[in-house]
Amino acid sequence: SQQGEEDPQALSIQEGENATMNCSYKTSINNLQWYRQNSGRGLVHLILIRSNEREKHSGRLRVTLDTSKKSSSLLITASRAADTASYFCATDAGLGGAQKLVFGQGTRLTINP
Amino acid sequence: EPEVTQTPSHQVTQMGQEVILRCVPISNHLYFYWYRQILGQKVEFLVSFYNNEISEKSEIFDDQFSVERPDGSNFTLKIRSTKLEDSAMYFCASGRQGGRETQYFGPGTRLLVL
Repeated sequence: SQQGEEDPQALSIQEGENATMNCSYKTSINNLQWYRQNSGRGLVHLILIRSNEREKHSGRLRVTLDTSKKSSSLLITASRAADTASYFCATDAGLGGAQKLVFGQGTRLTINP
Repeated sequence: EPEVTQTPSHQVTQMGQEVILRCVPISNHLYFYWYRQILGQKVEFLVSFYNNEISEKSEIFDDQFSVERPDGSNFTLKIRSTKLEDSAMYFCASGRQGGRETQYFGPGTRLLVL
């Protein structure tokens, strides 16, 4: 089974619209992080939400976490062409110390001008 | 703002050759990681490193792989005898603390094994 599965796999919207991406996971987590990856480039950290938090904001980003449903959503409001990228959720489920992140397959977001 | 750096950005090698990928983590970070991403696939964990030893490694991280922190700043991933299937983007990451904290990723090294 996969930890951190995003949907949709691809999303295409018009500039100015809001984009919502979802992530589901299977085991209990300590936190969930969202990353952005421009094509062929590195991973840029967007936001971290802890297991005891339900919602977090950062600029145009809003992340929710529902631990009872083991799911998270990333909302990008007022999208811009520069938001075109792949978005990944990653979960950290370890007990402490150096912890691996488990990534989903990602959502490929395209913002059309 | 401090960032993780990686060199080289691209490397092409022949199958069977050794490669060393280099990373300079953020200076006050204590936890270090390598991940890889095969083209079109998701990012996969390879290994974590803390206090000069491996904390955890994945099934991918077999005897052909090794990591080292040779000095106070560099963190390297060595692949002793590369295979075609090692072609991927390799990311280094570091964190100030362990779990429950953000991991910051470098820009990656794109490795192509011919």
